[in-house]
Amino acid sequence: EVQLVESGGGLVQPGGSLRLSCAASGFTFSNYWMNWVRQAPGKGLEWVANIKQDGTDKSYVDSVKGRFTISRDNAKNSLYLQMNSLRIEDTAVYYCARVLLSAKTAIDYWGQGTLVTVSS
Amino acid sequence: SYELTQPPSVSVSPGQTARITCSGDTLSKKYAYWYQQKSGQAPVLVIYEDGKRPSGIPERFSGSNLGTMATLTISGAQVEDEGDYYCYSTDSSDNPLFGGGTKLTVL
Repeated sequence: EVQLVESGGGLVQPGGSLRLSCAASGFTFSNYWMNWVRQAPGKGLEWVANIKQDGTDKSYVDSVKGRFTISRDNAKNSLYLQMNSLRIEDTAVYYCARVLLSAKTAIDYWGQGTLVTVSS
Repeated sequence: SYELTQPPSVSVSPGQTARITCSGDTLSKKYAYWYQQKSGQAPVLVIYEDGKRPSGIPERFSGSNLGTMATLTISGAQVEDEGDYYCYSTDSSDNPLFGGGTKLTVL
């Protein structure tokens, strides 16, 4: 069974940093592109970043470029999102998500999410 | 900037057919995907590559993609199908994009 478990969310002040983690199990993690997707309270889904199987190719939504860094450790079956210079508008539930084998960003499995609240 | 446009809400009675549309200029060249999100839960993939159904998704869920519009059809909608539905695709530069979401009410 595919499982994705996020951790690392919490309350942080504007300008602060957080590092999200996602522990993957139930599949061969190193075979898949992976995504981070977020959802602000009461709003829709927004793709944030993705990373290739070997970590050599990464992409970001414009609003987080230069502030967020996606990474992975295939030996630990883990995905990460380092978030710096956080803004109030980054407040959201952040989902770790596996990409379909046939795709580069389209998701087939989602974690349950971790809430990031940016507030003073 | 490129957008995928969905109606904010769709309402049907139990047993009726619900259709949720998603319009976007590049849908004629790109696959459409559909996600169901129930209140307080993570999204679930219900349709991929325009009209394919993942294992475990009921047959009443189907999808099509014609021209610049993709459609999710729920034939014989049930109360448990209530939730938010999001279409997903990419723009001409392969940038990922979700539609704004459609709230489906079945009552």
